[in-house]
Amino acid sequence: DTGVSQNPRHKITKRGQNVTFRCDPISEHNRLYWYRQTLGQGPEFLTYFQNEAQLEKSRLLSDRFSAERPKGSFSTLEIQRTEQGDSAMYLCASSLDVAAHNSPLHFGNGTRLTVT
Amino acid sequence: GIQVEQSPPDLILQEGANSTLRCNFSDSVNNLQWFHQNPWGQLINLFYIPSGTKQNGRLSATTVATERYSLLYISSSQTTDSGVYFCAVGSTGANSKLTFGKGITLSVRP
Repeated sequence: DTGVSQNPRHKITKRGQNVTFRCDPISEHNRLYWYRQTLGQGPEFLTYFQNEAQLEKSRLLSDRFSAERPKGSFSTLEIQRTEQGDSAMYLCASSLDVAAHNSPLHFGNGTRLTVT
Repeated sequence: GIQVEQSPPDLILQEGANSTLRCNFSDSVNNLQWFHQNPWGQLINLFYIPSGTKQNGRLSATTVATERYSLLYISSSQTTDSGVYFCAVGSTGANSKLTFGKGITLSVRP
């Protein structure tokens, strides 16, 4: 168990560019979540997957944001036409859903995005 | 949506002291978790505790779901306990989104 892995750790981009982040969850975990955290705030939910199915999306997730989990393993989060307001830490988390019972969420180290 | 309030917002302790961190929530929950975010930003899951009491070393947590609050106890604090403590709750379905509080910033001084 190597934990949740996120890449890259840091990304600096110019406004208007597209960026893509990757998350590799804990191998046996079937649920994968994306959160966003800004300075001084708690993480805010963006979206989550059960295996490859995207089951819920926050209203925070504008049309410029898209997430995929094509084979139910790793996930990518893409932001198109980045804006300065997208600057934040993007966190991925995973958990094991067994018979619809909740379980602890495990977070990766995050990808810090800076849009200049 | 569900509201999560944590108190106090900031806490400064001398090493060795005990502390109690509180989390109030506005609706029934079936999921409540406590996290510690260390100074390097890593979020560590401390407890999954939608009800009852759990202990893990110097840390323990109690959730009284009927009264909509949870408490995190830290005993014999150490400088490595410094960081931000988040309470997160879920009220619909199993493992759907968790709503986080704003966190409690703890500083433990040697």
